Amino acid sequence: DAGVTQSPTHLIKTRGQHVTLRCSPISGHKSVSWYQQVLGQGPQFIFQYYEKEERGRGNFPDRFSARQFPNYSSELNVNALLLGDSALYLCASSKDPAPYEQYFGPGTRLTVT
Amino acid sequence: GESVGLHLPTLSVQEGDNSIINCAYSNSASDYFIWYKQESGKGPQFIIDIRSNMDKRQGQRVTVLLNKTVKHLSLQIAATQPGDSAVYFCAENPATGTASKLTFGTGTRLQVTL
Repeated sequence: DAGVTQSPTHLIKTRGQHVTLRCSPISGHKSVSWYQQVLGQGPQFIFQYYEKEERGRGNFPDRFSARQFPNYSSELNVNALLLGDSALYLCASSKDPAPYEQYFGPGTRLTVT
Repeated sequence: GESVGLHLPTLSVQEGDNSIINCAYSNSASDYFIWYKQESGKGPQFIIDIRSNMDKRQGQRVTVLLNKTVKHLSLQIAATQPGDSAVYFCAENPATGTASKLTFGTGTRLQVTL
């Protein structure tokens, strides 16, 4: 069975630009969550989506937005990139909005220069 | 590949010995806990979970213990193998309805020596 997939694997952007990251959940999973992992730290929760609706939001500025599509895949958008946005962006999927058994993808490494 | 957790607490264990990784969580209302393993350049890998109405749960070679009185979680790995070398994170979910907002600890690097 395919796990959670994310694209692209790596991305280099310049300050002020915007970026779109993509995630496909495990087949049958309807919930997608996004996390940011800065080097040397644990992942930090950004958003959760379930059935195309936002179910939770972490402490991130409005420059961060996301959406979920009818096929349950998801996009994370970040506008006006800052150097501090450089991180590994992780997507996790689960069957329902409850946190039980969230499975992570390999992540997208974003570097902002 | 990239390094995860450059300045994390490190536990060194000899191959074949048992490992115990500890985690203090912050929210007494948290109702669900997960342990993840993260290898360099990869996303976190689910190991085992436990709900707050339990104090122990066993998987294959792993056991999680939960002490709600002191807000402490531990992961025990039996007969540690070189492939167990990684950074281990505990995560808690505050009891905020049905949404999931996992809060991760800082992580512990496990080094298995031969």
